[in-house]
Amino acid sequence: GQNIDQPTEMTATEGAIVQINCTYQTSGFNGLFWYQQHAGEAPTFLSYNVLDGLEEKGRFSSFLSRSKGYSYLLLKELQMKDSASYLCAVRRTGGFKTIFGAGTRLFVKA
Amino acid sequence: DTEVTQTPKHLVMGMTNKKSLKCEQHMGHRAMYWYKQKAKKPPELMFVYSYEKLSINESVPSRFSPECPNSSLLNLHLHALQPEDSALYLCASSPIFTSTDTQYFGPGTRLTVL
Repeated sequence: GQNIDQPTEMTATEGAIVQINCTYQTSGFNGLFWYQQHAGEAPTFLSYNVLDGLEEKGRFSSFLSRSKGYSYLLLKELQMKDSASYLCAVRRTGGFKTIFGAGTRLFVKA
Repeated sequence: DTEVTQTPKHLVMGMTNKKSLKCEQHMGHRAMYWYKQKAKKPPELMFVYSYEKLSINESVPSRFSPECPNSSLLNLHLHALQPEDSALYLCASSPIFTSTDTQYFGPGTRLTVL
């Protein structure tokens, strides 16, 4: 089976840094994605990790520890437009299905 | 062209109606997906097509019938739906059906079943 856990909601201030955690349990791990989804819109790809370590892409970074079943998404220099849901998704082997976590709703306040 | 398009954006249908959702991409992707997303819930995989052939059916009821006429188009035919089928239906595509390929999502069709 599989299980993906992330906090339901977070609030942060414009200009600050926020870390959104994701823990997962799955048989046959084959990569972890982070997606951003604004209300009523489609998810958009942010990052992909398959090896341990940190991947940096502009204001967004994603970290993976496979041994701990743990990832985080780091958002720097927060902007109001970063208010959205952030979905952690795990790709499994043996069928290549992607399972999505319930998402973390981030509220950025002025 | 780097987007996935879906039509219609909104659809209201009765339980006896037959309707279709359409999805199109011109990125040369050979894997296409249908997801269902309820409010404040994650997307749930329904179907995956790889090279125009159905690869995954996540035990979806037969009132949902997917079709992939060619590598650019994906349809979802709807018949005799239930009110609980009301949701956002997302189409996605990825270059090749492997673990490393990122899925690109369309804007979705918001379906309401009365």
